[in-house]
Amino acid sequence: AQKITQTQPGMFVQEKEAVTLDCTYDTSDQSYGLFWYKQPSSGEMIFLIYQGSYDEQNATEGRYSLNFQKARKSANLVISASQLGDSAMYFCAMREWSGNEKLTFGTGTRLTIIP
Amino acid sequence: GAGVSQTPSNKVTEKGKYVELRCDPISGHTALYWYRQSLGQGPEFLIYFQGTGAADDSGLPNDRFFAVRPEGSVSTLKIQRTERGDSAVYLCASSTRDSLSGANVLTFGAGSRLTVL
Repeated sequence: AQKITQTQPGMFVQEKEAVTLDCTYDTSDQSYGLFWYKQPSSGEMIFLIYQGSYDEQNATEGRYSLNFQKARKSANLVISASQLGDSAMYFCAMREWSGNEKLTFGTGTRLTIIP
Repeated sequence: GAGVSQTPSNKVTEKGKYVELRCDPISGHTALYWYRQSLGQGPEFLIYFQGTGAADDSGLPNDRFFAVRPEGSVSTLKIQRTERGDSAVYLCASSTRDSLSGANVLTFGAGSRLTVL
């Protein structure tokens, strides 16, 4: 089974609207962390936000928030008031504490913001 | 520099040749990772160093791939007898604790694009 599933290969959103990028994960660990990264066309992976499995509150970082639903094993990224510069690939990733420090990534969602 | 530096940014080689890809992590970061990203895919873990030693090399696809980090800073990914299927972007990352979340956050370089003809 895939450890990280991103079911939206591509999304188009009007500028200034909010957008939700879906991510579900699969783990039997009780302790794990979930990450979102942005990859613009330049290729560099940019860290956006992190949610620990024991964090009771949803993580927020500026216009980014993480809708964490532990029972459903989902960790959707919400971007508010989208901007043209948000156009990029977005990757969800997980680190399981029973293993080691490696991150396992999903296949990504290509987000395009329409002016 | 302030970020993770990878060289070369682009490498074109012929099938069967040997290549080396270099990664210079952020100063002071003890953990270093190599990932491979094929077209249309997410990054795929290759190997992780803690200091000079490889703590986890379970992602290396076969014995043609090898990585070293002799002094605990710069790392080199070495690929012998390259094959067309090795064509990908090779990403390096180093890590530290994020001051806000406490998470061990990976900072990535821009990658080395390898094309095997």
